[in-house]
Formats: sequence, C-alpha cells, structure tokens
Amino acid sequence: DSGVTQTPKHLITATGQRVTLRCSPRSGDLSVYWYQQSLDQGLQFLIQYYNGEERAKGNILERFSAQQFPDLHSELNLSSLELGDSALYFCASSASSGSTARYNEQFFGPGTRLTVL
Amino acid sequence: SQQGEEDPQALSIQEGENATMNCSYKTSINNLQWYRQNSGRGLVHLILIRSNEREKHSGRLRVTLDTSKKSSSLLITASRAADTASYFCATDEGSYIPTFGRGTSLIVHP
Repeated sequence: DSGVTQTPKHLITATGQRVTLRCSPRSGDLSVYWYQQSLDQGLQFLIQYYNGEERAKGNILERFSAQQFPDLHSELNLSSLELGDSALYFCASSASSGSTARYNEQFFGPGTRLTVL
Repeated sequence: SQQGEEDPQALSIQEGENATMNCSYKTSINNLQWYRQNSGRGLVHLILIRSNEREKHSGRLRVTLDTSKKSSSLLITASRAADTASYFCATDEGSYIPTFGRGTSLIVHP
C-alpha cells in the first residue's frame, strides 16, 4: 500500500459527460501528479500540483482540468468525454517539488479506470 | 512523448532464470528510476540511480547506468513467478518530472 488513495476505482460513463477523479496523497507529501495510461500512448504525465499551486503541465487536454485543495487532496476533472479518453488515470505524490524532486521517488495510487461508452 | 524506451517489449522466462531489461534515453539526465506495475495496478518504485552512479543493488535487483551510451539495464536475478509485471524506466530529461517509457512486460513461468 503506497498510502495514496484514489476514488472511484472504476467509472463508466457516456461520451459528452463530465467526471471528477479524486486523489489523496501520502501523508506529508505536498506534490501531486496526474498521469493517464492507455494502451497506445503509454504512461503520459498530465499535470503537477505542489501545495495547492500548479507547478508543471504535460500532455493535458483543454477539456481536462485539475486542482489541489488546502487539505492537499486533488481532483482531476474530465469534461466533454470522448471514447479516446478511456484509460487508467493515476495519481502520484512525492515529498517535494522543483529541483529537489529529482531525487524523490513517486508513490502511485491504485488508479481509476475510466471507460467512456 | 516517451523519452526512456525499454527493450525488449516483452520477455518470457522460467522461474529461477535471470531477467534483463534495458532502457535507452536521448538527452542528459540527473537520475533514472525503475518502476514495476502489476496488471491494472499502480506503479511501485524499485530503484533510483543518479547520473554519477554506475551501479546499484537492491535485493535481487541490479541496475546499471551508462551515461556515455545513454542506457540503463535492470537485472532481476533468480526470478520468481511473483516478479511477473511490467517494468518501466523513468528519466528526468530536461525537467524534474519523470518521463516514462512504454515498459517491458515480464512473464515468469513457474
């Protein structure tokens, strides 16, 4: 158990809908990362938050947004869903951010499997 | 886009044999990490090797790093059926955000 929790485990929805994925980082970790894993694209970094502020953006679509709350949990919002958004969405946390994060391992949650029908 | 690329894509061995996976990357790095992912589960950190290190051990795992060749290898000795998983390398090329490859799928037959 990594200490990172994600809800829900599974989500099945229809195209055009909007969903919210939730992540609670490991106790004490200030950085939260979101990743999308699909069969054809592999593990893609989406976005990072550190202590409530956005720190880095990766391959995140404009239809997707995220935020990190004062209690450090994070939510990833996916809207106008398309079939191609079906994937595993992982949240990871680490102790720090910026240059010191280079030497920090990331702790991954169990993921949310999103199926868009 | 993937920076670290693992090779082979898939590997099938018998229990007790050694498994070697390779990772190649494109630009200079500060560190390289290896992760394991059991089917449908989250990634688990295995080992981090810094750019000024050449070899690291952790239990049955041995990681080497050759910065001149921009490559790393992960050796699992005396493999077990429980080692069946996908293995990913992650590099921090140009950024502190680890960039993952597509992984090597390892199957260890009992």
